[in-house]
Amino acid sequence: NAGVTQTPKFQVLKTGQSMTLQCAQDMNHEYMSWYRQDPGMGLRLIHYSVGAGITDQGEVPNGYNVSRSTTEDFPLRLLSAAPSQTSVYFCASSYSSGGTSGNTIYFGEGSWLTVV
Amino acid sequence: AQSVTQLDSHVSVSEGTPVLLRCNYSSSYSPSLFWYVQHPNKGLQLLLKYTSAATLVKGINGFEAEFKKSETSFHLTKPSAHMSDAAEYFCVVSGLTGRRALTFGSGTRLQVQP
Repeated sequence: NAGVTQTPKFQVLKTGQSMTLQCAQDMNHEYMSWYRQDPGMGLRLIHYSVGAGITDQGEVPNGYNVSRSTTEDFPLRLLSAAPSQTSVYFCASSYSSGGTSGNTIYFGEGSWLTVV
Repeated sequence: AQSVTQLDSHVSVSEGTPVLLRCNYSSSYSPSLFWYVQHPNKGLQLLLKYTSAATLVKGINGFEAEFKKSETSFHLTKPSAHMSDAAEYFCVVSGLTGRRALTFGSGTRLQVQP
């Protein structure tokens, strides 16, 4: 059971380049999400999905696109990278979002992105 | 709305002494609460979670947390710190759906001195 798999782990981009961070989970989770982590700010939600074909914006969506064509995969696309997008990115999944069900949220290992 | 406040950005303890990491929350709903740990350059690992069952929750590696509704707190404790406990700890509240499903605290960095 691989859990949540993110690739790449490290990436350096030039300003203006585009790239895709991959995220896959093998737990048949409905809910998947992308966060960015910046010093002193915890994790902030970029985009999320409650199932295949359904995505929505989070707290900090600008400059990022997502799609959810399958239950397993939830890629995050940086359209035109900017230095402000230098961050650590985490993909997460759970059976459902929110509520008092207390479903455990599983995180990937993270992707360290530097934009120069 | 919901929010999480981790009251200390940095805590330093000596090995073998107790650990207390403080978390207060605000929620209009009956929340689920989590503590996650992040070791350097690693992902987030679940320590424990509260889901409206027992108010004292035991987690991995000897950690536990007590849900106190009257104080809106969910502090994380451990009787005796180990060097391996040095990491960043995040308190997380979950009580809504969609974009507000999870709210993270800003984190507490735990340093353990030999």
